[in-house]
This record gives sequence, structure tokens and C-alpha cells, in this order.
Amino acid sequence: QSVLTQPPSVSGAPGQRVTISCTGSSSNIGANYDVHWFQHLPGTAPKLLIYGNSNRPSGVPDRFSGSKSGTSASLAITGLQAEDEAGYFCQSYDDSLSGYVFGTGTQVTVL
Amino acid sequence: QVQLQQSGPGLVKPSQTLSLTCDISGDSVSRDGAGWNWIRQSPSRGLEWLGRTFYSSKWTNQYGEAVKSRVTISPDTSKNQISLQLNSVIPEDTAMYYCVRQSSWHRGWYFDLWGRGTLVTVSS
Repeated sequence: QSVLTQPPSVSGAPGQRVTISCTGSSSNIGANYDVHWFQHLPGTAPKLLIYGNSNRPSGVPDRFSGSKSGTSASLAITGLQAEDEAGYFCQSYDDSLSGYVFGTGTQVTVL
Repeated sequence: QVQLQQSGPGLVKPSQTLSLTCDISGDSVSRDGAGWNWIRQSPSRGLEWLGRTFYSSKWTNQYGEAVKSRVTISPDTSKNQISLQLNSVIPEDTAMYYCVRQSSWHRGWYFDLWGRGTLVTVSS
């Protein structure tokens, strides 16, 4: 079962800003492990959006940004576009499990 | 352009062994700074890290707690690929299985390239 908790869905109109939360605990995000974010369209390979809490790989638009505080992290999408309609999930590392853990996933809908 | 091409049967019988391979092109399985993982996703269990192999002076394998008694991940340098073996499968092992590259940086590792996935169903 997924260790990191995300809202099942968020939605917004084109051009708006949406945020997705990722809530963990003292054994993962709260233990100062980095949070990474991925975008996943059905039938395709998941794509890295943010690594190390707030860093964008080359080619990822600056509409995507990440932040982390305490035992939680957030992904923000500003200037929402139709192509952003997809699934998003977070990922970190967990001390008690001695392994990598993932979020429950969030579906973003562009109204 | 780095690509991860997965292959293997889509149907496995209960109690048998699930075997998948991941052919790596555009990168080297033994490159220092790269880790090679298997991750699976199912509606009931979500995303689950199964384990990884990587080379840094020597080969190291690490496995997820939930499967470590049943899983083996192996590199094959001659074919530039990794393989996954999951023994004694049960229907709950039905999932989409992904081959995933990790890259290291000064703060650790991050998954930076995913394969397209292989759907494996465990059923008689």
C-alpha cells in the first residue's frame, strides 16, 4: 500500500493554478528525504517532473514547481493547460521500510 | 536517446515464477551513477518498489521488504540488460511492472527514466 497520501483528484480551468499535496511522516519526508514528482498518462511511461523537492529536469516547463515543508510536499501547476490533464504521483524514501515509497496518486482534470 | 525495452510473458500461473527482462539502449547497465530498478503498480497495492541493482566498484542489489524473500534482480553486462524474477507468485502479484533507471546526485537518487511497463496477470 502507498505510504504517501495525495488527494484523489484536483481540477481547474485553463490558466488557473492547482496544487497537489503529498503527506508523509517522520520516517520519510519528515526524515529529510527528498520528494520527487512524476506525471503519468495512461498507456505511457511515467515522466519525471520534479526531483529533489524543487528541481526541474531539462524540458519540463516552468509552470511546474515543487516545494517541501515538514512531513509534506506540494506540486503546483500554474497556467493550467489541457495537456496537463494526467495522473501525478510523488515519491520519497522511507527509513522504517528501508526502501522507496510512493504517493497514492492524483488525477488532474482541466475543466 | 536512452530507451528501456521490457519483455516477458503477460500471464503466469499461481506458484510459478514471474520473469521479465529490460533491454537498455543508449546507456550502460554498469555505468557508475546509474541504478536499475523494478517497480510495479496495481489498483490494490498502488506503486511498489521491488528492488534495484547498481554498480559502483562492485555490484549491489537491494530489495523491497514486502517481496525480498521472493525476488531476484540481476544485471547481464553482456546483453546490457537487467532481469526480474519473482518466485511463488499469487494473484495479488498481478500488476503493471516497470523497469526504471535511477540517477545519482549529491543528495541521493531519483528515478529519471521509466519503461512503458508490462502487464502481468497471475491466473490459472
